[in-house]
Amino acid sequence: QVQLQESGPGLVKSSETMSLTCSVSGISVTSGGYYWGWVRRPPGKGLEWIGSFYYGKNSYQSPALKSRLNMSVDTSRNQFSVSLTSVTAADTAMYYCARGVNMGRFDYWGRGTLVSVS
Amino acid sequence: SSELTQGPDVSVALGQTVTITCQGDSITDYYANWFQLQPGQAPKLLIYGRNNRPSGVPERFTGSTTGRTSSLTITGVLAEDEGDYFCGGRDSGGDVVLFGGGTTLTV
Repeated sequence: QVQLQESGPGLVKSSETMSLTCSVSGISVTSGGYYWGWVRRPPGKGLEWIGSFYYGKNSYQSPALKSRLNMSVDTSRNQFSVSLTSVTAADTAMYYCARGVNMGRFDYWGRGTLVSVS
Repeated sequence: SSELTQGPDVSVALGQTVTITCQGDSITDYYANWFQLQPGQAPKLLIYGRNNRPSGVPERFTGSTTGRTSSLTITGVLAEDEGDYFCGGRDSGGDVVLFGGGTTLTV
């Protein structure tokens, strides 16, 4: 059974860099056929796509976040991560990682991790 | 335009039928997907493609698309259906994911 679980700092200071990790079980992030991505939801607002990648091929990032965003993969731990630099209060959100059958069809999600920027 | 616009929040009685809409130019190129978000739970894919349900999603959830509008219909709403519903999908260029602003369903 595919499972994803996010982990993060909980609280980050403004202007610093936040890093989140998604631990995947039940499937390898290197297996073909799937995208892996990040989505966030600020308090009281809607979902916002952050970025996705297809292992060994392409990486896609939100134009609004691209300049502050870095995504990486740790194949030895079957994890993928995202870091966001120069955070502000606007980056306070619940952050989700997800598996996608295609760029928009996210079929498995984690429960999310809340990040607050002080 | 590169955005998806959802209809207003809705409130329905148990057993009624409700339709939630999502509009956007990208829907003419790529079907929208529908997701359910409930407090404390992982988001859930409800509908993908023209009108496909992942395993485990009840038949009362159906989708349809006409032109630039995608719709999610819940027939015979249950109390457990209360939550937030989002449409999402690729933009017309295919390399950006868009989400609608969300619709809150109150039962």
